Amino acid sequence: TQLLEQSPQFLSIQEGENLTVYCNSSSVFSSLQWYRQEPGEGPVLLVTVVTGGEVKKLKRLTFQFGDARKDSSLHITAAQPGDTGLYLCAGEDTNAGKSTFGDGTTLTVKP
Amino acid sequence: DTAVSQTPKYLVTQMGNDKSIKCEQNLGHDTMYWYKQDSKKFLKIMFSYNNKELIINETVPNRFSPKSPDKAHLNLHINSLELGDSAVYFCASSLHGADTQYFGPGTRLTVL
Repeated sequence: TQLLEQSPQFLSIQEGENLTVYCNSSSVFSSLQWYRQEPGEGPVLLVTVVTGGEVKKLKRLTFQFGDARKDSSLHITAAQPGDTGLYLCAGEDTNAGKSTFGDGTTLTVKP
Repeated sequence: DTAVSQTPKYLVTQMGNDKSIKCEQNLGHDTMYWYKQDSKKFLKIMFSYNNKELIINETVPNRFSPKSPDKAHLNLHINSLELGDSAVYFCASSLHGADTQYFGPGTRLTVL
């Protein structure tokens, strides 16, 4: 069973601070996705990273895929209250035809 | 023009009852899923169907029975509901088994 561990599990910061969320596994994934889930809603895809070492930026969010495609990080610069939510990483194993979700990081950004 | 829709949004019922949750996707995807998200926000896969065929069946009590009448629909029927079944249930779909998943808005099930 492929496992994805996210850290930290909970993160509460002030508006304007920077933060990094990690997603780690001992398994290699074909690609990795980050989702954000707001209260009362389903998860929504933010980004997909495919190549080892790949870095993608989405406004103040920077996503990196590890060189070995076993881990990923999400860095948010100058966090805003609108960034509050549950962040989930998901690793895709194309050979197995399935995705595995991490346990999530709950981010709260206080104004 | 909702991509993945679920009904109902909220479901409150008594222990021992039988209930169903419906899911439909209009994305033309081949694969559909059911997930359970508990109070700790852990998102756990329950079932996965590809073109109406069961692909993934995680350790789920056999009180839960998915049914896929066609590849655009995946319904979840739950027999003899228990208190521990209270959670938010999400339906999702993807083009193929390991592609981007698109989630429905969730069904909050409360068993009293």
